[in-house]
Amino acid sequence: KNEVEQSPQNLTAQEGEFITINCSYSVGISALHWLQQHPGGGIVSLFMLSSGKKKHGRLIATINIQEKHSSLHITASHPRDSAVYICAVVGGSGGGADGLTFGKGTHLIIQP
Amino acid sequence: EPEVTQTPSHQVTQMGQEVILRCVPISNHLYFYWYRQILGQKVEFLVSFYNNEISEKSEIFDDQFSVERPDGSNFTLKIRSTKLEDSAMYFCASSISPGLAVNEQFFGPGTRLTVL
Repeated sequence: KNEVEQSPQNLTAQEGEFITINCSYSVGISALHWLQQHPGGGIVSLFMLSSGKKKHGRLIATINIQEKHSSLHITASHPRDSAVYICAVVGGSGGGADGLTFGKGTHLIIQP
Repeated sequence: EPEVTQTPSHQVTQMGQEVILRCVPISNHLYFYWYRQILGQKVEFLVSFYNNEISEKSEIFDDQFSVERPDGSNFTLKIRSTKLEDSAMYFCASSISPGLAVNEQFFGPGTRLTVL
C-alpha cells in the first residue's frame, strides 16, 4: 500500500510569494496527480505527470521518480490561489483501473 | 469544456435507508470511479468500473455498496442500508484511459451525503 505524505500541512503566505508544496510516496508509481480543492469541496485536476516537469500558467509541478518525490510550485501567489492542494498517486501497474491514493492535502492561505 | 456532473449536490437520509448517487461521466471516457471524503479526512478510493464491470475496489467497498451503469450516460453508486459513518462527500471521476495508458482523471463536484 502506498503511503503519500505532503508537507507542509498548512501554509500561510503573503501575496506575491513563491510557494512550494512537497509530496513523497513510498511505493513506485505510474503517475502522480496534483489536485486543487476549494472550500465548497469540488476537486479540480491541475496536473498529471509521470516524469520531469510541467508548467501551466503560474503553476509548476516536478517529479523525481527515483527519489519518489514531487513538488508543486506557485509563482507570484495570489489570494485566489488559497485552497487545499492534494497530491494523489496512481499505482505501478499503470492500468486505467487504478484508483488514486491521496495525501492529506496542504491547506494554503495567501493573504493580500 | 466537457465535465463530470453529479446529482444531487446534497442528500440527507435516515440511517438504514438506501441512497443512490448519480454521476454523468464525460461522454467519451471509458473508466469511471467513485471516491469518498469524510469531513476533515483525506479522499479515499472506493471503486473503479470499466466495460460494465468493477475493475478494482477498496476494502471500504463492502456488500453495502454497488455500482451500475444503467444506460449509456449515467454511473450510479448505491448504498443499500446507510450508516452514520457513511456521511461524507462522494466524488465521481472519469478517465479516457484506453489500453494500458494512464490518463488524467476528471472529478465531478461531489455529492454531500448526510446520514441522520
